[in-house]
Amino acid sequence: SQQGEEDPQALSIQEGENATMNCSYKTSINNLQWYRQNSGRGLVHLILIRSNEREKHSGRLRVTLDTSKKSSSLLITASRAADTASYFCATDPPGGSYIPTFGRGTSLIVHP
Amino acid sequence: NAGVTQTPKFQVLKTGQSMTLQCAQDMNHEYMSWYRQDPGMGLRLIHYSVGAGITDQGEVPNGYNVSRSTTEDFPLRLLSAAPSQTSVYFCASSYVGTANSPLHFGNGTRLTVT
Repeated sequence: SQQGEEDPQALSIQEGENATMNCSYKTSINNLQWYRQNSGRGLVHLILIRSNEREKHSGRLRVTLDTSKKSSSLLITASRAADTASYFCATDPPGGSYIPTFGRGTSLIVHP
Repeated sequence: NAGVTQTPKFQVLKTGQSMTLQCAQDMNHEYMSWYRQDPGMGLRLIHYSVGAGITDQGEVPNGYNVSRSTTEDFPLRLLSAAPSQTSVYFCASSYVGTANSPLHFGNGTRLTVT
């Protein structure tokens, strides 16, 4: 069953705008990861944030984590057409199971 | 460095046929897993393995078998294909024992069962 749920399901923006997508989860986590999936391809890992971290940056990506609200957000700044993809959050439960649970994803379209 | 390699890329089966989806990784990852991806359902875990000789069931294991005789390979067997198994299948791997290890995915096998 899905632990994380992304919101919105779909997002359409113009190149240069920022894109924000959110992930909510139900139980406590060890860490939360964001993945990108281009059409017809496998998922690619973007960024991992641990449960004791609140914010993390990687290039144009900014991820926040609020464990009190059981939610995370992924911000892509100055979006490009190449950012068009589906974005998934995945949560690792505590206890070292190393079996992440994926949400249904946000489909992002960036218009040139 | 090939990463995770899945074969075939596409497959069409008739109901009742059997086949094996291949997955190989060259990163010496202990953990390997199979997911299926269906529209609106996200990724659902079928089976996983934390090392050679060790396998376990995920969320949707029925109709599928796996084995892990080597660290590198983790094939997924469909014993008697059904139309409900039409999906895109992804294999993924990562390190175990190193906390917070991200998954590396193959590019998927698109399976159609008629």
